[in-house]
Amino acid sequence: GENVEQHPSTLSVQEGDSAVIKCTYSDSASNYFPWYKQELGKRPQLIIDIRSNVGEKKDQRIAVTLNKTAKHFSLHITETQPEDSAVYFCAASRNDYKLSFGAGTTVTVRA
Amino acid sequence: DSGVTQTPKHLITATGQRVTLRCSPRSGDLSVYWYQQSLDQGLQFLIQYYNGEERAKGNILERFSAQQFPDLHSELNLSSLELGDSALYFCASSVDQGGETQYFGPGTRLLVL
Repeated sequence: GENVEQHPSTLSVQEGDSAVIKCTYSDSASNYFPWYKQELGKRPQLIIDIRSNVGEKKDQRIAVTLNKTAKHFSLHITETQPEDSAVYFCAASRNDYKLSFGAGTTVTVRA
Repeated sequence: DSGVTQTPKHLITATGQRVTLRCSPRSGDLSVYWYQQSLDQGLQFLIQYYNGEERAKGNILERFSAQQFPDLHSELNLSSLELGDSALYFCASSVDQGGETQYFGPGTRLLVL
């Protein structure tokens, strides 16, 4: 099955700086890559996703890039704010198969 | 609000007991997924049901079982509970069998004393 590795496990950034989280996947057939944000004690919420026919996608301060050849994808958060502090999970799946999640990255934005 | 509902929100019980967690998926979603999240842990996939049938199985203990009913709601049964079963249990739903967004419910926080 699919194996998703996520790095780093923790990330501390100064408010206003950028944060980058990287994930690699093992199944070359995977074609859907969402990112979830989970605040303490709350549900994971989708923040952005990308499909394999696209190399990059942006939504305001958040962007995701995908390199199918290298089988890795990344989340970029620019101009970080205290409310960006949370755990971020990447995931990957192929058609008709469940998502496989990374282990999560705890992001702390220092004021 | 994702449209996925879970009950109860909190559950406190004793070791050796049995509990049932309930999940109602978003309207129109056919797949239901169950996850366990222990303190400072990631999302551990337990089991997936699609339109009433078991679709995929993760690291689900034999003491745990689940089912999806004709109205598509799902129940996760946890029996012979141990202290280590204390965790947040999330249900998620998606439209099809996979390859698309999963929407998570608010979770059930289980505490086994």
